[in-house]
Amino acid sequence: DQQVKQNSPSLSVQEGRISILNCDYTNSMFDYFLWYKKYPAEGPTFLISISSIKDKNEDGRFTVFLNKSAKHLSLHIVPSQPGDSAVYFCAAKFSGDKLTFGTGTRLAVRP
Amino acid sequence: NAGVTQTPKFQVLKTGQSMTLQCAQDMNHNSMYWYRQDPGMGLRLIYYSASEGTTDKGEVPNGYNVSRLNKREFSLRLESAAPSQTSVYFCASSADRANQPQHFGDGTRLSIL
Repeated sequence: DQQVKQNSPSLSVQEGRISILNCDYTNSMFDYFLWYKKYPAEGPTFLISISSIKDKNEDGRFTVFLNKSAKHLSLHIVPSQPGDSAVYFCAAKFSGDKLTFGTGTRLAVRP
Repeated sequence: NAGVTQTPKFQVLKTGQSMTLQCAQDMNHNSMYWYRQDPGMGLRLIYYSASEGTTDKGEVPNGYNVSRLNKREFSLRLESAAPSQTSVYFCASSADRANQPQHFGDGTRLSIL
C-alpha cells in the first residue's frame, strides 16, 4: 500500500516558468512533510519541509503548500532554472516515526 | 565536511556471494538508515539505528543484516546475494531533534548476476 503517491513520473517546463510538483498521501497521521531533490549518481538532498500546523512554507524560489483536507501537498518552483532538472521525492512522517517516500517525479527544465 | 560517505560506489556480485556495504557519517548524528531505491519504487527503508548499539527493521529487511559499529558507522550485509537485491543502496543519518531532515550518501550501485 503506497501511502505517499507522486502520480506524475515526469514533468517538462520551460525555463523561467513555474514548475508544480504534486504529492498525495493516504495516512492522516502524517504530520511532517519534506521534499528531496536528487541528481543522477548522487544521493537525495533535502530541499524544503512543512509541518502539518502550516499550509505554506517558502524558501527562496521554492514554496511548499499543504492541503490537509485533501491530503495533498505541492512544490512550486518559480522561476524554474535548468539546474532544477532532477528527480524530486516527497516524503512524510508522523511523530517519531520513519520517513515514507513517494516514487519521485523527474523534472526537466528546457532552456 | 564529508557528511555521509558510502563505500564502495559500485559492485558486481554473483548469486550467493556475500558483501558488506559501508557507511560513515561525520555529523555526530545518532540516527542512521539504510534504504534501497528501485525503478518506480521510491526509497524503501531496509534497517535503521536510532542510536549506537540499537537496530530495527524497516519495510524490506529480508535478506539483509546490519551492524551499528559505533556512532559514526552503520554497515549493511548481504549474506547470500540474490538477483532481487540488485538495486541502488543509500545510507542516511539524522540528528535526534524533532523533524530534522535526513542527510544521504551518494549511494552504492549493486548488481547481482
